[in-house]
Parts: sequence; C-alpha cells; structure tokens
Amino acid sequence: DVKVTQSSRYLVKRTGEKVFLECVQDMDHENMFWYRQDPGLGLRLIYFSYDVKMKEKGDIPEGYSVSREKKERFSLILESASTNQTSMYLCASSSGQGMEDTQYFGPGTRLTVL
Amino acid sequence: QQQVKQSPQSLIVQKGGISIINCAYENTAFDYFPWYQQFPGKGPALLIAIRPDVSEKKEGRFTISFNKSAKQFSLHIMDSQPGDSATYFCAAKAGGWGYQKVTFGIGTKLQVIP
Repeated sequence: DVKVTQSSRYLVKRTGEKVFLECVQDMDHENMFWYRQDPGLGLRLIYFSYDVKMKEKGDIPEGYSVSREKKERFSLILESASTNQTSMYLCASSSGQGMEDTQYFGPGTRLTVL
Repeated sequence: QQQVKQSPQSLIVQKGGISIINCAYENTAFDYFPWYQQFPGKGPALLIAIRPDVSEKKEGRFTISFNKSAKQFSLHIMDSQPGDSATYFCAAKAGGWGYQKVTFGIGTKLQVIP
C-alpha cells in the first residue's frame, strides 16, 4: 500500500514565523503535490514537483515555497506565516505513469496561524 | 474561476436512498474524471473514475454517469448507508504523461441519516 505521511497533524504558529510542512512518500513516486483545503473552496493546488529539484507553481503559490531535495520528500515552506494561511494542508503523490494515474493523499496538517 | 463546478455543497439523504452529486466542466482538454472520497480526519482517496469515451461506469453501489456533449458528469450512490457519510470531490485531468495536474471541484459533504 502507498503511504504518504505528513510530519504533523496539528500545528499552531504565530504571524511572521517561518513554517515547514514535511511530506514523505514510500512508493518511489515521481510526482508530489501540496494542496490546501478550505470549506467552500475545495482542494487548491499550491505547488507540485515532477522530479527531484523540479517544481511548478499551482493555482495559489503566493506566500509559499517548496523544496524537493530527495525523491521521497517534499516540503512546503511558509516564509512568513499570516492568518490567511490558516488551513488544512494536504500532500499527495502519484507515479506519473499514464492518464489513470492516481493521487495518494496524506492525512493532512491543520495549521492555525495566530 | 472554477474549472470544475460541483453541486450541491451539502447533501442529506436517508439510509437506503440515492445520493446524487453533479459536476460540470468547460475545458474540453479534460479527458479523465476521477471522484475522491474523504472521511473526517483523513486525506481524500480515489473512489471511482471514468474516461469520456464511456457514458457510465459502475462499481458496486457507486455509478458515474457522463454526458460528453453537455460536459457534465455525476456520481450516484445507490442504497446510501451511514458509512457513506463523507466529503466527495469530483475532479478532472487533462493531458497524458507527465505531472498530470488534477483540478478538483469544491466538494460535497454527504450525510446519510438512519
């Protein structure tokens, strides 16, 4: 079974802090994704990576950056957290093989910025 | 701008009833349409998916109906059970190989009452 793990289930940070969210997958997947989930807005793509050290902006990259130094690990960085970044953050991975490639999600990190 | 429009946002169905969730899209480049199911405290997981060359796909109590000309698709849950209570996301994917970005709807929170 594919396993995607996220470093924290709950996180509370203060405005202006630098925040790191870590994601690890164990299936040697090429692609990794970061989404944020907000009520009434669904899942919105922040960034994705299709190879080590490669990244592409998603739909809402402002205020975020990412790092992928190893194939299995994809980090989301909030350089200076703000209250409007309070949200559920979901990491996903996929093999990148074929149209019917499935995204596998981690359990999410609920981030609160005070 | 919502590329995949999903309705309703919430749905309450009696046990044994039929749950219906509708989605519509504009981008004719979309050619794969997965549905994801998310239970509280968990990440979304693939439930069922369809290609546009098929008008219907059934897996157990779950059926996708697809209308290519109308650019609409829907999920039907027959004999709905309390265990089906979850948030459901329709999604669409364009392109073939590579990073395979998925565009999600806003989600439908389904509650099945006994």
